[in-house]
Amino acid sequence: KNEVEQSPQNLTAQEGEFITINCSYSVGISALHWLQQHPGGGIVSLFMLSSGKKKHGRLIATINIQEKHSSLHITASHPRDSAVYICAVRGPGTASKLTFGTGTRLQVTL
Amino acid sequence: DGGITQSPKYLFRKEGQNVTLSCEQNLNHDAMYWYRQDPGQGLRLIYYSQIVNDFQKGDIAEGYSVSREKKESFPLTVTSAQKNPTAFYLCASSIDQFYNSPLHFGNGTRLTVT
Repeated sequence: KNEVEQSPQNLTAQEGEFITINCSYSVGISALHWLQQHPGGGIVSLFMLSSGKKKHGRLIATINIQEKHSSLHITASHPRDSAVYICAVRGPGTASKLTFGTGTRLQVTL
Repeated sequence: DGGITQSPKYLFRKEGQNVTLSCEQNLNHDAMYWYRQDPGQGLRLIYYSQIVNDFQKGDIAEGYSVSREKKESFPLTVTSAQKNPTAFYLCASSIDQFYNSPLHFGNGTRLTVT
């Protein structure tokens, strides 16, 4: 079974700071997801990637398949970015289930 | 706008009672999932369905049951056999079960059993 580790567990930043959240996994995968969970509990899918880098607005996700590591970057952070960010990986089979990390709680202050 | 609707947002039940959580989607997705979230733990898969009238157990199916009679609906019943039912429950869907399908989540139901 894949083990998914996220770091840091908690992160506090000031508005405007560049933020990095890390995700490491133990075995090969077919895809990695970054999710955002709002304080109310709803989850939004941010990225799904299997190689390289993706960018959407101020968010950038990268993955290094060889090192089994992914990072989520937030540029020019804002208080509305405050949420829990969750990494999830899908195993090597095309229909494998997802394994979720425990999340990184981000608080961005003014 | 298409999406997933979970109801109710908060649910309170007495121990020993069965309770059913609703999940409806209008995204025309084939695959639907139920996850449980507990403090300090990653989401865990309870049941999933790849197509109407078919579903499979996930990692923690004991004490739960589901049905998939319509493509749009995937209700979850938490039975009295579930030893620790108090948790946050999330329903999700994807176009299909395969690796390149992003997940769409509902807003969750927080169940408290006393």
